[in-house]
Amino acid sequence: GAGVSQSPSNKVTEKGKDVELRCDPISGHTALYWYRQSLGQGLEFLIYFQGNSAPDKSGLPSDRFSAERTGGSVSTLTIQRTQQEDSAVYLCASSLASGSYYGYTFGSGTRLTVV
Amino acid sequence: QKEVEQNSGPLSVPEGAIASLNCTYSDRGSQSFFWYRQYSGKSPELIMSIYSNGDKEDGRFTAQLNKASQYVSLLIRDSQPSDSATYLCAVNPRVGGNEKLTFGTGTRLTIIP
Repeated sequence: GAGVSQSPSNKVTEKGKDVELRCDPISGHTALYWYRQSLGQGLEFLIYFQGNSAPDKSGLPSDRFSAERTGGSVSTLTIQRTQQEDSAVYLCASSLASGSYYGYTFGSGTRLTVV
Repeated sequence: QKEVEQNSGPLSVPEGAIASLNCTYSDRGSQSFFWYRQYSGKSPELIMSIYSNGDKEDGRFTAQLNKASQYVSLLIRDSQPSDSATYLCAVNPRVGGNEKLTFGTGTRLTIIP
């Protein structure tokens, strides 16, 4: 596609429920990143996929968070047993090869609210 | 010490003046540096990248890099109200070879008409 597509754009969920956030990167981009941004805060790295390599999961805040990337394209971030502190904007980004050289293109984000 | 530091602002600049945004980073081995603009309620947008010491100009924007001082800056000439946004500095820290960017917390810029 022309840009990074994320869905849903907004999600309100009850505490304790599971949620799935979807990211469809730019066609041909091999690197895919998930970050989150809490209100008034900076970008917090969550997970990074590069081609067929094992993902870098070093930023996942707890074992309630997981992500997968199928067929080197679409990625899903899953949060189990959501907590109020999970409320944030979840941003997906993609890039050609290594994004640390080329920079990222971000999607429009999913705003998650846990009530 | 934070890996990437920025003054949170807010920085207020009169319309038509030069806005100067600064960023320092901790890892001397860092190789690539980026400036992102984020409007309120929107996602970050890449506006500049710089890899070598010196200046890089693109329209009204100039990025400056000084690796010896571990310092990156962004100058916006002829500031416009539409430049009002939060500007994020991002650095490839090359820590352990991980290929991901580390972001500063951003500087909020307001252009006063």
